[in-house]
Amino acid sequence: QKEVEQDPGPLSVPEGAIVSLNCTYSNSAFQYFMWYRQYSRKGPELLMYTYSSGNKEDGRFTAQVDKSSKYISLFIRDSQPSDSATYLCAMNNNNDMRFGAGTRLTVKP
Amino acid sequence: DADVTQTPRNRITKTGKRIMLECSQTKGHDRMYWYRQDPGLGLRLIYYSFDVKDINKGEISDGYSVSRQAQAKFSLSLESAIPNQTALYFCATSEVGKETQYFGPGTRLLVL
Repeated sequence: QKEVEQDPGPLSVPEGAIVSLNCTYSNSAFQYFMWYRQYSRKGPELLMYTYSSGNKEDGRFTAQVDKSSKYISLFIRDSQPSDSATYLCAMNNNNDMRFGAGTRLTVKP
Repeated sequence: DADVTQTPRNRITKTGKRIMLECSQTKGHDRMYWYRQDPGLGLRLIYYSFDVKDINKGEISDGYSVSRQAQAKFSLSLESAIPNQTALYFCATSEVGKETQYFGPGTRLLVL
């Protein structure tokens, strides 16, 4: 079993839809949780960063962490074609960073 | 200009050859990392360095070596390349005390 599980998709939605991306993890020592966005042929770029359980909102993006269930989510509201990318969850404990495999998202105009 | 640069961006080599991938950063970060990305496996850590004198093995270091020539430069070497080292390689940096990492554009490596 992988330490971080992420559905690879692909996920295709119409423009304006709400997108939900999820990861589960097995190591309860993870303390920091991140979402990265990776466009084709580019390096991952940080999208959201959270430390504790709960929600964090940044514009159209909301990151949610449930440590008791070892489950994190990223919600994208009013999705746009420019959101089409691969989304990677990541989590860290004391410099031990682990990534999910990434979910490929396509938002169709 | 990009804060984290990688050279080359693409490389084709043959089995048994020695190759080096280079990473430079202008962010002033002390910590640097090398990852490989494979379809379905995500990013996996190869080596990381917290400063010029500190080098640590990551999850998958076998077959790789690194050199931290300066705060701004971190190189990854494949001493004798093999086909299953075909992958996308990323360099990343981070600040001391901060968990987030900043990635370069990647090097696409094909080992024939």
